[in-house]
Amino acid sequence: QVQLVQSGAEVKKSGSSVKVSCTVSGATLSTYVITWVRQAPGQGLEWMGRIIPHSGRADYSQKFQGRVTITADESTSAVYLELRRLTSEDTAVYFCARDSGSYPFAYWGQGSPVTVSS
Amino acid sequence: QAGLTQPPSVSRGLGQTATLTCTVNINTAGDQGPAWLQHRQGHPPKLLSYKNLNRPSGISERFSASMSGSTASLTITGLQPEDEADYYCSAWDSSLVAWVFGGGTKLTVL
Repeated sequence: QVQLVQSGAEVKKSGSSVKVSCTVSGATLSTYVITWVRQAPGQGLEWMGRIIPHSGRADYSQKFQGRVTITADESTSAVYLELRRLTSEDTAVYFCARDSGSYPFAYWGQGSPVTVSS
Repeated sequence: QAGLTQPPSVSRGLGQTATLTCTVNINTAGDQGPAWLQHRQGHPPKLLSYKNLNRPSGISERFSASMSGSTASLTITGLQPEDEADYYCSAWDSSLVAWVFGGGTKLTVL
């Protein structure tokens, strides 16, 4: 059974950075794409980027280019999302999701709330 | 306009059928249809359908997807209270090299 377990809630100051983790169990990390999606309060889902752990190749939404980095550590089956220069508009729940081969977004983490205060 | 466009809200009665639409105006490189996801309050999103393929394991046959021209549709039959949720379409944009989400449709089951 594939499970994605994310790190807990974070409260950050404007201008700082946050690093959210997503640990995959029940399957090999390297083979499948891991995606990060966020939902700000009252807003819809927003794709931030993805990584293919085996190659380390990451693609990012143009909106977050230069401010986001997605990395993977195959030894711990963890994927990380780092978002820098935080503003209040980055207050959101951050989700990781994994493909299944046939389907994108097949498995999801529980979500990691991030609150940015001034 | 470019992107994926969904109506903000749809309301139907218990037991009725709801059809949610998604107008696709991005470079999908001829893909057969977007992904559809259900997002209930307090839960992670759930994939319902992708490229008009068979439903992922565990997804009820009450959910079916189709596509006609640039309009994708998700039909939900026999509406249940637990179907009340936000529904999103999402497609891969080959030009942007990115997944794009529609704005979501809030489905209310009366």
